[in-house]
Amino acid sequence: GNSVTQMEGPVTLSEEAFLTINCTYTATGYPSLFWYVQYPGEGLQLLLKATKADDKGSNKGFEATYRKETTSFHLEKGSVQVSDSAVYFCALSAVRSGGSYIPTFGRGTSLIVHP
Amino acid sequence: GAGVSQSPRYKVAKRGQDVALRCDPISGHVSLFWYQQALGQGPEFLTYFQNEAQLDKSGLPSDRFFAERPEGSVSTLKIQRTQQEDSAVYLCASSHREGDSKQPQHFGDGTRLSIL
Repeated sequence: GNSVTQMEGPVTLSEEAFLTINCTYTATGYPSLFWYVQYPGEGLQLLLKATKADDKGSNKGFEATYRKETTSFHLEKGSVQVSDSAVYFCALSAVRSGGSYIPTFGRGTSLIVHP
Repeated sequence: GAGVSQSPRYKVAKRGQDVALRCDPISGHVSLFWYQQALGQGPEFLTYFQNEAQLDKSGLPSDRFFAERPEGSVSTLKIQRTQQEDSAVYLCASSHREGDSKQPQHFGDGTRLSIL
């Protein structure tokens, strides 16, 4: 079946530090890959996506590259801000048995950025 | 509003009571999903609608859980005879098209359900 594995958190960084959150996946077929962000008390918001191998998704300084050879989609940002503190979810969307596209989410990685 | 709207935001019920959670998706979105999110975990799939048809309910944890979307827009998730293990945040998401893995999901802010 489809699955997503994220590095465990919390990840604690100082402002302006470099961020990497690892994500690997297993899936049948050719999935689309997503990163979502969740702020306290809110639902998930799409951060970026990539729909085919070697695509790079980017938004608000965050980037992730779809690596088919390593089945990875690691999230990076060159200089984090306090406002980036949130929980980040890696997800994939691929066909499941029955033909429907039901997203599969990782467990989330909490990011805490200190001033 | 332009986003997915869920109500109530918070619900407290006694064990054994029935509850109903509402989701109003983005207008025109064909696909609607319900998820259960336990504390510190990612969303776990419950059920999926394409318009008014419930195409996948494989994630519903028991026959106490029931969902409907009778007119292909608003959806209701009902939990009968609630148990303490039902305490979680219930998220609703919608997407524009069905059968397209490239479509991102648009989430509501969720309903936090607490069973006493």
